[in-house]
Amino acid sequence: EAQVTQNPRYLITVTGKKLTVTCSQNMNHEYMSWYRQDPGLGLRQIYYSMNVEVTDKGDVPEGYKVSRKEKRNFPLILESPSPNQTSLYFCASSLSLGTAQKLFFGSGTQLSVL
Amino acid sequence: AQSVTQPDIHITVSEGASLELRCNYSYGATPYLFWYVQSPGQGLQLLLKYFSGDTLVQGIKGFEAEFKRSQSSFNLRKPSVHWSDAAEYFCAVAGDTGRRALTFGSGTRLQVQP
Repeated sequence: EAQVTQNPRYLITVTGKKLTVTCSQNMNHEYMSWYRQDPGLGLRQIYYSMNVEVTDKGDVPEGYKVSRKEKRNFPLILESPSPNQTSLYFCASSLSLGTAQKLFFGSGTQLSVL
Repeated sequence: AQSVTQPDIHITVSEGASLELRCNYSYGATPYLFWYVQSPGQGLQLLLKYFSGDTLVQGIKGFEAEFKRSQSSFNLRKPSVHWSDAAEYFCAVAGDTGRRALTFGSGTRLQVQP
């Protein structure tokens, strides 16, 4: 089954404790992206990747890192999480030309930073 | 820069009634326009998209949307709403060259009354 898998589904952590949210897709998609969803703000793009070793900042990249060492994986790293990063995070992928193609979304990761 | 406005934060309709969700976009050229639906606890699913051609586009689950350039709108419609349509709906626009990024609206939460 074609899917985007995020883990964990829920995560509670404390300020400053490094964490990684994993994202994996099994569709051989070139384009992958991370979004955060906050009430009243919709989804905002954090980082995206056009292909292996090609990443770029989205609209709200501060406090986040990503890597794309393999085509299928696109982890989101919070080196020193802060409470304002409490949010619902979504990973998404598409075949190529991210905007023109259908985006497939993971089920989300609800992060709470205390 | 591209932007999307969804003026209605929350809409309640009765089951069987018609539905229209509003979306206004801002972009200089012809945009790519999308509607996504998010069911509770789920990721987003593409309902329909407009790239060019016929301004009335059909999507899944009986939804349709009409692109009106003169009004910068891309409203989503359904003639008869089902209880299972209760969800949050996001309009999105793409167009920034080189960024390949979707810009999402803040979402409209649809509640369906029996």
